Amino acid sequence: KNEVEQSPQNLTAQEGEFITINCSYSVGISALHWLQQHPGGGIVSLFMLSSGKKKHGRLIATINIQEKHSSLHITASHPRDSAVYICAVIEDSNYQLIWGAGTKLIIKP
Amino acid sequence: EAGVVQSPRYKIIEKKQPVAFWCNPISGHNTLYWYRQNLGQGPELLIRYENEEAVDDSQLPKDRFSAERLKGVDSTLKIQPAELGDSAVYLCASSFDFYEQYFGPGTRLTVT
Repeated sequence: KNEVEQSPQNLTAQEGEFITINCSYSVGISALHWLQQHPGGGIVSLFMLSSGKKKHGRLIATINIQEKHSSLHITASHPRDSAVYICAVIEDSNYQLIWGAGTKLIIKP
Repeated sequence: EAGVVQSPRYKIIEKKQPVAFWCNPISGHNTLYWYRQNLGQGPELLIRYENEEAVDDSQLPKDRFSAERLKGVDSTLKIQPAELGDSAVYLCASSFDFYEQYFGPGTRLTVT
């Protein structure tokens, strides 16, 4: 069993739809990253959070430490949001970054 | 403020040739990471530096890979000799201690 699991693996939606990507983890963590990677592009850190909720523009990330679960939401999705979204946790015992497999999001116009 | 800088962005070499990648982290970031990302997979940590000290190099294939961060600022990752299986994107990231990691654009290596 992977220590960080994301769902769904692939998601195709129409422009304007509300998008939710989920991340569950099984290890103790000090923080959780949500990252974005465009095809052929580098990785961009969207959020790092250890509790509660963060918002940046149309992106919202939440985390529930007790349930070991985080969600990334995109409101009013746009084709330029098409990318792979990766959840990664910083393990609290050794500060290693453990990566989820990523969610490939395609937003159709 | 400049982000993490990597060069070159792309490199094509023949197998058995040497290759080197360079990374300049964000100013003030004491922790530097080198990752390798194969197509369709998540990044795999190769080595992590705290200042000039390599504190985690357990995943670095030491027979052909080497890295250095002599003055605790920029870093070089070398492969000698390169093999076909080394084709991947090599990512550099930096952070202040163990806080949020910022990634460079990566170097896409193709070994033919």
